[in-house]
Amino acid sequence: DIQMTQSPSSLSASVGDRVTITCRASQGISNYLAWYQQKPGKVPRLLIYAASTLQSGVPSRFSGSGSGTDFTLTISSLQPEDVATYYCQKYNSAPIIFGQGTRLEIK
Amino acid sequence: QVHLEQSGAEVKQPGASLKVSCKASGYTFSSYGISWVRQAPGQGLEWMGWISVYNGKTKSAQKFQGRVTMTTDTSTTTAYMELGSLRSDDTAVYYCARWGWNDPFDYWGQGTLVTVSS
Repeated sequence: DIQMTQSPSSLSASVGDRVTITCRASQGISNYLAWYQQKPGKVPRLLIYAASTLQSGVPSRFSGSGSGTDFTLTISSLQPEDVATYYCQKYNSAPIIFGQGTRLEIK
Repeated sequence: QVHLEQSGAEVKQPGASLKVSCKASGYTFSSYGISWVRQAPGQGLEWMGWISVYNGKTKSAQKFQGRVTMTTDTSTTTAYMELGSLRSDDTAVYYCARWGWNDPFDYWGQGTLVTVSS
């Protein structure tokens, strides 16, 4: 099975900082890569799909890039409400695999 | 608007079976499938399997094969996930999510907390 590896596993940054989270697939997955945000005690929320397409309603400070095996999620200017765990997901075929998550905190 | 409403929290004994429901509304039920995802306490997201509402075909993660059964009832637009032979490490929040072939999970249910304990 394909493995999805996120880095870092946790991250602390200041309000206004640019934050980047990476996700690496053990095999090429084209652009079948999604990013989800999960706030504590809440349901996961789709942020980005097809590696770089912003889901409707998601703030434009979120962006995604990459193709093949290497992907990034960027928050251009970190806001307090962005405190959450972020997961990447490859969704092109079974098994669907999530990354292990990146916990983002405010410094 | 699209909404997935899941059944309530449950406490189960080891060895028992669990059945979680997921009632869909706000879209054409047969045009999408349903995926099931679980999250153990303090852990990440784990995909369990999917079911195509259109033809009833299922695919489950190898870890759950033989222990999970996914079904749908198109008359009530409800999907079900049954997990048998429960163990303590099946304690988790179980989510349903709308799934389409080669599509991400754009809508999720609110989650169902299942506690397996004697």
